[in-house]
Amino acid sequence: QKEVEQDPGPLSVPEGAIVSLNCTYSNSAFQYFMWYRQYSRKGPELLMYTYSSGNKEDGRFTAQVDKSSKYISLFIRDSQPSDSATYLCAMEGGTYKYIFGTGTRLKVLA
Amino acid sequence: SAVISQKPSRDICQRGTSLTIQCQVDSQVTMMFWYRQQPGQSLTLIATANQGSEATYESGFVIDKFPISRPNLTFSTLTVSNMSPEDSSIYLCSVEGRSDEKLFFGSGTQLSVL
Repeated sequence: QKEVEQDPGPLSVPEGAIVSLNCTYSNSAFQYFMWYRQYSRKGPELLMYTYSSGNKEDGRFTAQVDKSSKYISLFIRDSQPSDSATYLCAMEGGTYKYIFGTGTRLKVLA
Repeated sequence: SAVISQKPSRDICQRGTSLTIQCQVDSQVTMMFWYRQQPGQSLTLIATANQGSEATYESGFVIDKFPISRPNLTFSTLTVSNMSPEDSSIYLCSVEGRSDEKLFFGSGTQLSVL
């Protein structure tokens, strides 16, 4: 079993839709959770960063962590074509140790 | 956040040759990390580079294949040696944030080996 599972997609949604991206993990020791956005031929860009269970909001983006279920989500409200990218979840599992999901490819259709 | 410049951004190389990727950070950092991102797979850590000492390699990666230099606190290079088509991938340089556990990435090097 992989430490982090993420549906690769692709996920296609119409412009303006609410997008839900998810990851599950197996190691209860993970403390920090991150979401990255990666455009084609670019490096991952840090979008959201959370430590505890609960929600964290930044503009159109909301990161949600449920440690009891080992489940994290990223919600994108009012999705735009410019949100089309691959979204990676990541977890910090020790000093200098980061575990990444495989990424979900999102396409927002105009 | 850190600003990380990586070059080249992409290259097409012949089998058996070597390519050196450069990574420059806009601030001094203790550790620099090199990752590989293969299509459909999660990011895989190749090695951790600490200034003034030899890099620490992850399982499956060896120094002869991926030699790393770390001459100062803002710069590192990764060489992909004796390349084969299986080395075709995106290579990413990264650093941690100064005060917390966030990882920042360079723009990546898209390598294709023919």
